[in-house]
Order: sequence, then C-alpha cells, then structure tokens
Amino acid sequence: KAGVTQTPRYLIKTRGQQVTLSCSPISGHRSVSWYQQTPGQGLQFLFEYFSETQRNKGNFPGRFSGRQFSNSRSEMNVSTLELGDSALYLCASSSGQGAVTEAFFGQGTRLTVV
Amino acid sequence: AQSVTQLGSHVSVSEGALVLLRCNYSSSVPPYLFWYVQYPNQGLQLLLKYTSAATLVKGINGFEAEFKKSETSFHLTKPSAHMSDAAEYFCAVTPYGGSQGNLIFGKGTKLSVKP
Repeated sequence: KAGVTQTPRYLIKTRGQQVTLSCSPISGHRSVSWYQQTPGQGLQFLFEYFSETQRNKGNFPGRFSGRQFSNSRSEMNVSTLELGDSALYLCASSSGQGAVTEAFFGQGTRLTVV
Repeated sequence: AQSVTQLGSHVSVSEGALVLLRCNYSSSVPPYLFWYVQYPNQGLQLLLKYTSAATLVKGINGFEAEFKKSETSFHLTKPSAHMSDAAEYFCAVTPYGGSQGNLIFGKGTKLSVKP
C-alpha cells in the first residue's frame, strides 16, 4: 500500500511569489490535513479537507489556502510569500471518520523563501 | 482551548537506560492523546494513542505511555533505550469532538542516545 506522497520535496521561492504544494493521500483515505513545522513555532495545523470540503481551519492568514479534488488529492497554496513562510509543510491522510483512526504523514515539502 | 506541554526540549540518555519523555495536557474533557516520532528529514510516525480505553497504552518499538487524569499527564517511556531511538518525539491531542485530522502538537522533545 503506497504511503502519503508529497511533491515536491524541496522548493526555493522568492519573496512575493506564490507556491503550490501537492499531497496524494493513501488510497481510500478521504481526509487530508496540512501542517506547518518551523523551529520556532513547532507543528501548527493549517487546515483539513474531507471529501472536497474544508472541515477545519487553523489560525493562519488568508494567504494560505487549500483545496481537495474528487480523488482526495490535495493542494495547498501560499500567495505573496514571506521569509517567515520558510518551513517544512507536512500533509497527513486518514479515513477521516472518527477520532481513533490513524493519521499517516508524508515526508513533507521543505519550502525556503529567499 | 486544548493544549499540550512537553517538558524538556532535549533529553539525553545512555544506551540501555530508561527513556522518559514528559507530556502534560490541558483539557476540560477527556481528550484523545497521541505520541508521534520524527526522524531527520522524515514525516511523523504514530507510536501510540490513548482513546479512553486502557490507561496504559503500548505502542511500537517497545514504547508505552500511561494516561493519568489526576495529573493530566501522558508520559512516554521505554525501559531500555536503543541507538535507533534517537529522534524527535511529539505529544499531540485532538480537540474535543475533533478528529486526527486536527491535531494540536507539543513543541517536541529531541532524544539523544549515547553509546
């Protein structure tokens, strides 16, 4: 069974640009969540999508957005990049039904903003 | 709001020694609690989870954790550390009524294992 796949693994962007990150969940999983990991703030929840609908949202500015497609693949977009957006972005997938199902994480996309 | 506090950003133990990583949570209702491990340049892997069944939870790689409501704690232990246990460990909680799709993480504890 293939795991959660995030592409690309590494990305370098310039301040002011926008970026799109992709996440392919485990087959059959309908929930995809995104997290930002930085040395200073740790792991912070961005948003969760379930069956193409945003189900939960963290406390991030509107520059951070996401979407989920009918095949459960998800993308997150960050517009007008700032230096502080440099982070490891992790995607997690789960069946999305019930609180006891396990969330499986991808290896992440490391974004560097210069 | 629910939160998680991990005491000690770095813990160092000798190979074969007891591993104890501390986690305290704040919640007005019993939460679901999790421990994850992250190896360098990797995503997170679930070690174990507490879902209001048994208070002593056994996980993978010989780790276990005990839920203590009176102390609002969920400390992670392993009787004998192995070099391969060197990694960063995160305690996490789900908001009441939430799912594992919306986890609140502690700041993490980096475990070093000395030969």
